[in-house]
Amino acid sequence: QKEVEQDPGPLSVPEGAIVSLNCTYSNSAFQYFMWYRQYSRKGPELLMYTYSSGNKEDGRFTAQVDKSSKYISLFIRDSQPSDSATYLCAMSGTNTDKLIFGTGTRLQVFP
Amino acid sequence: NAGVTQTPKFRILKIGQSMTLQCTQDMNHNYMYWYRQDPGMGLKLIYYSVGAGITDKGEVPNGYNVSRSTTEDFPLRLELAAPSQTSVYFCALYAASGGGKQFFGPGTRLTVL
Repeated sequence: QKEVEQDPGPLSVPEGAIVSLNCTYSNSAFQYFMWYRQYSRKGPELLMYTYSSGNKEDGRFTAQVDKSSKYISLFIRDSQPSDSATYLCAMSGTNTDKLIFGTGTRLQVFP
Repeated sequence: NAGVTQTPKFRILKIGQSMTLQCTQDMNHNYMYWYRQDPGMGLKLIYYSVGAGITDKGEVPNGYNVSRSTTEDFPLRLELAAPSQTSVYFCALYAASGGGKQFFGPGTRLTVL
């Protein structure tokens, strides 16, 4: 079993839809959770960062962590074509310099 | 890309050739990383460094070498290129403030034929 599982997609949604991206993990020591956005032929950029369980909101983006279920989510409200990218989840334990990445979910938002 | 420069952007190598992928930062961070990204496979850590003169293997180090003579530069060396090393290579920095976050360079796309 992989430490981090992420549905590869692709996920195709119409503009304005609410998007839900998810990762599950097996290591209960993970406590820092990140979402990276990667446009085609670009490097990953940090989008959201959360510590432990709970929600964090930033504009149209909400990151949710449920440590009891070992499940994290990224919600995108009012999705735009510019949100079309691959979204990678990443997480770490007490050694915050070591990240474990999911394989990424490709999202396409069509007008 | 958070002060991380990678060169070249693209390269085509023949089997058995060697090359060095360059990574330079201007943010004085100690921790630097090299990842490779294959389609559908996520990011795999090749090597990392916690400071000048200190390097360590990651998950997939075979076929690669690194050095860290200065804080600014962390080159990745391929000695005998193989088709299995066709990938996109990313250099990253780690910022310890705020709980620890990694920031990535723009990547080098390498094809070995």
